[in-house]
Amino acid sequence: SQKIEQNSEALNIQEGKTATLTCNYTNYSPAYLQWYRQDPGRGPVFLLLIRENEKEKRKERLKVTFDTTLKQSLFHITASQPADSATYLCAPDAGNTGKLIFGQGTTLQVKP
Amino acid sequence: DAGVTQSPTHLIKTRGQQVTLRCSPKSGHDTVSWYQQALGQGPQFIFQYYEEEERQRGNFPDRFSGHQFPNYSSELNVNALLLGDSALYLCASGSRGYSNQPQHFGDGTRLSIL
Repeated sequence: SQKIEQNSEALNIQEGKTATLTCNYTNYSPAYLQWYRQDPGRGPVFLLLIRENEKEKRKERLKVTFDTTLKQSLFHITASQPADSATYLCAPDAGNTGKLIFGQGTTLQVKP
Repeated sequence: DAGVTQSPTHLIKTRGQQVTLRCSPKSGHDTVSWYQQALGQGPQFIFQYYEEEERQRGNFPDRFSGHQFPNYSSELNVNALLLGDSALYLCASGSRGYSNQPQHFGDGTRLSIL
């Protein structure tokens, strides 16, 4: 069955450093992958979408890579700030259906 | 421009009861998906509604059912509640063919089963 794995342990970094979050998937080949941010008690908020023919995508301090050979996506936040502290979810598509399969999320804590 | 709205925000039920959760999609959206999110886990897809019909379904039992109304709003019904149904229930909206587009989520209904 389709499986998505994200770092289950929380990631703690110092303000100003680059945070790197990993998303690995197995048993399928998504055409695109989305990243969402979720704050406690709130719904996920869309951040970035990357397609299988795109190696890298950027938006302000955010960068996403998509390696279809490794079946992996990396999510980077440069010059991190305490306000970036949240849980980040990756969601590869499930066959162009609109159904998203989410990983369990990685919690990022940025310390001032 | 109102985003996705869900009601109620919190709900407490006992085992065996039935519950109905409601969702109004973002203006301009016609497709609604429901997700269940257990504590510390990512959202799990329950089903998707478009044109008032269930179009896709995740791995959830028939106790979970839904409905979409002509104004695109939607309801999620859960019968014979179990303790394991305690979770955050999220509604997400989009436009038909939004499989390659972002989904817009509400802040969910926190359901607690005693």
